[in-house]
Amino acid sequence: SQQGEEDPQALSIQEGENATMNCSYKTSINNLQWYRQNSGRGLVHLILIRSNEREKHSGRLRVTLDTSKKSSSLLITASRAADTASYFCATDGSGDKIIFGKGTRLHILP
Amino acid sequence: GAVVSQHPSWVICKSGTSVKIECRSLDFQATTMFWYRQFPKQSLMLMATSNEGSKATYEQGVEKDKFLINHASLTLSTLTVTSAHPEDSSFYICSARDQASTDTQYFGPGTRLTVL
Repeated sequence: SQQGEEDPQALSIQEGENATMNCSYKTSINNLQWYRQNSGRGLVHLILIRSNEREKHSGRLRVTLDTSKKSSSLLITASRAADTASYFCATDGSGDKIIFGKGTRLHILP
Repeated sequence: GAVVSQHPSWVICKSGTSVKIECRSLDFQATTMFWYRQFPKQSLMLMATSNEGSKATYEQGVEKDKFLINHASLTLSTLTVTSAHPEDSSFYICSARDQASTDTQYFGPGTRLTVL
């Protein structure tokens, strides 16, 4: 089953611009995580935000969490070609299980 | 950071054969591991939860007799795709929860299965 829904499903932006991806989920969570996946490769963990946190930063990444709306956003500032990848949110709403959203395919144009 | 390995990283097999994929936690103990499947351009779908020393818990719609899971030790879980068919071709990813840190799951690099 899918817990999260990301939007947009696909996003193309110019290098240097900011990219924003959103994630909505259905059940209560303890934390929410964002992952990156390059084509055909494994997952790279980006950031974890706990349910009692509203915002978190890591380098060029900024994640927000609104538990009242059951939504999160991932902002990548000053995008680079190397940021081209699929981005997934994942929640732990079902006990131990981590359930992934459908993902956003981000393409950075040179 | 903690590392989870998968073996093999890719495998090609004939239809009807069985394929075993290993998932190992290299520097931590994992009482629970998870198996995901990912079709091209889709998200990861949880298949089952592998519990050390007990039976795996399968997600709805996943055939337990087709996807055999064994979690014989605190560092190893195996997924066997039995009587594989072309529709089983997919990217299989495992993750392991560090029992010393309930928040933290580590993902393996994935195994690409192609069934001819």
